Amino acid sequence: GAGVSQSPRYKVAKRGQDVALRCDPISGHVSLFWYQQALGQGPEFLTYFQNEAQLDKSGLPSDRFFAERPEGSVSTLKIQRTQQEDSAVYLCASSLGPLTTDTQYFGPGTRLTVL
Amino acid sequence: QQQVKQSPQSLIVQKGGIPIINCAYENTAFDYFPWYQQFPGKGPALLIAIRPDVSEKKEGRFTISFNKSAKQFSLHIMDSQPGDSATYFCAAPNSGGSNYKLTFGKGTLLTVNP
Repeated sequence: GAGVSQSPRYKVAKRGQDVALRCDPISGHVSLFWYQQALGQGPEFLTYFQNEAQLDKSGLPSDRFFAERPEGSVSTLKIQRTQQEDSAVYLCASSLGPLTTDTQYFGPGTRLTVL
Repeated sequence: QQQVKQSPQSLIVQKGGIPIINCAYENTAFDYFPWYQQFPGKGPALLIAIRPDVSEKKEGRFTISFNKSAKQFSLHIMDSQPGDSATYFCAAPNSGGSNYKLTFGKGTLLTVNP
């Protein structure tokens, strides 16, 4: 079956532009995570959804970052007024259940470059 | 807040060698330690995970060893192959109240030469 998909795969934005990154999780997966991965680093937690509820947004770097999952499936990560420090790969992961021990399946990521 | 320290940053071995990657964590609410493998341009994928009450887990050529008293765990790759060349991340559960969050190490870039 299909895995987690993300679009676009690459995004170049001028500083100050708004961007929207999309994640299509595996069908039926309850949990959805967004991570930020800087070059040569591990994934850093941004936010967590359980179905449509955003239960944790403690990792969002600033109020310019906003995520939603209105129908409990597709999720969008929006970054307003992008800055150069926002340049990174943004990974989405989904898991069947709500527990840490439920395997997280990652998408290929969106590489964001802010000029 | 969980801290996970992973070493080494990079590792080069010859085919057939046994690379070992180490991770140390601070505190955790429970014992679940996964390792993820990431190839260039791809997202991380779960390789192997160890769960409570087990000090070692083996799957094929991959083995996790867990030392609870030292708060350390490691990944061993037996008979390594060039196709194992990738970045490996360890992870540990958050030590806070959340039962869904993982903290990842910074990764180890493994190169297996033919």
